[in-house]
Order: sequence, then C-alpha cells, then structure tokens
Amino acid sequence: AQSVTQPDIHITVSEGASLELRCNYSYGATPYLFWYVQSPGQGLQLLLKYFSGDTLVQGIKGFEAEFKRSQSSFNLRKPSVHWSDAAEYFCAVGAKGYNKLIFGAGTRLAVHP
Amino acid sequence: GAVVSQHPSRVICKSGTSVKIECRSLDFQATTMFWYRQFPKQSLMLMATSNEGSKATYEQGVEKDKFLINHASLTLSTLTVTSAHPEDSSFYICSATPPGGTEAFFGQGTRLTVV
Repeated sequence: AQSVTQPDIHITVSEGASLELRCNYSYGATPYLFWYVQSPGQGLQLLLKYFSGDTLVQGIKGFEAEFKRSQSSFNLRKPSVHWSDAAEYFCAVGAKGYNKLIFGAGTRLAVHP
Repeated sequence: GAVVSQHPSRVICKSGTSVKIECRSLDFQATTMFWYRQFPKQSLMLMATSNEGSKATYEQGVEKDKFLINHASLTLSTLTVTSAHPEDSSFYICSATPPGGTEAFFGQGTRLTVV
C-alpha cells in the first residue's frame, strides 16, 4: 500500500535550535517526494522536492531534506529555527506528474522564544 | 510561481443546502485539477481528480453525487457540496500543476462550516 508516515504529531523546539522532521514512505514506483508547510487556515506552500539526483535537496526558508532510499525516508531539517517557522509540515509522495499526492498526517511545529 | 485561487475562503451554510467552491488557475491552463479534503488536525485526503471537458474521477469512498465536480474550462474547476450536513464541515483545497511543471500549486483553501 502507498503511504506516508510522519511519526511526530507535535514537536516543540526553542528558537535557534536545530530541527528534524521525520518522514517515511511506502510507494510502489519511483517516488517523487515533497515537503509542504501550512500556516493556520491557509493553503500549502512547497518547501522543497526530490525527484532524482543529489539526495540532499535545498529548499526555501533555509530548509533541506535528505532522501535515503534504503530507509525509505525523506527527513526535513533546518539548522536554526525561527519563530516564524511555527506551522504544520506535511510530507507527501507522488508519481511523475506531481499531482495526486499522498500526504502524511503532518507534524505541528511550535517554537518557543 | 503559478497561482491557484480558491473562492470563497470561508463559507457557512445551513444543513440541507448546497455550496459551490471555485478553484481557478490564474496564470496557466490546467486540464487537470485535484480536490483535497482536510479534517481538523488531520492530513489532506485526495477526493477527486477534475478533468477538463470530461467526468471527474473520484477516490474510493467519496460520494460523487454529493460532491459534484465541474471542470468547464481550462482555468476553472468547481466543487459543489450538495445537501450539506454538519459532517461535511471541513477544509477543502484544490491544486493544479502548470503544463510541463514539476510542482503542484495549491489554492488557499475553503473552510466550510455546515450548521
């Protein structure tokens, strides 16, 4: 079955601390992987994506993610979190064509000053 | 980047009435658009694929007679929630990808509350 697992429902970090959000996927074909961020009551903004090539991808707002095929993982990282990063983060997987995405349950990030 | 716009952003309707939500691609043509539903504190679940000029494709478990989708032009898809009930209250989001693009762009979402 195709699925995306985000093990952490809530994460709280202090401003300036590093962050890692976990994502594991199960997908029958070549996965195209995405991380989106959603602010309350808003749509989704793409942080970064992985299709092929270098397994470490850089995104917007200082985020990066590493694709590890052997672990079926695509974890999101940021070296120093800002208060404005507080939001909901979704990992998603899809086939070529980039739509019809399967989303993880999301991780809600809180940032303490 | 490309822009996908949804309207309205919020709507409150009475139980038993119908509500129409619009999804527009503002600066590109989209032969296919996607409708997702998000319950509070949950993830997005794909409801249906909207195909311009043909019938929508619904995901398993989604009632096609309740969630009517019309993709009448290359820039507009509409989702009509018919005979709405409180359990239909949710956040509905559409997405589309520009031709040749590699990213799905999402609308702002529509918060539907059925009272």
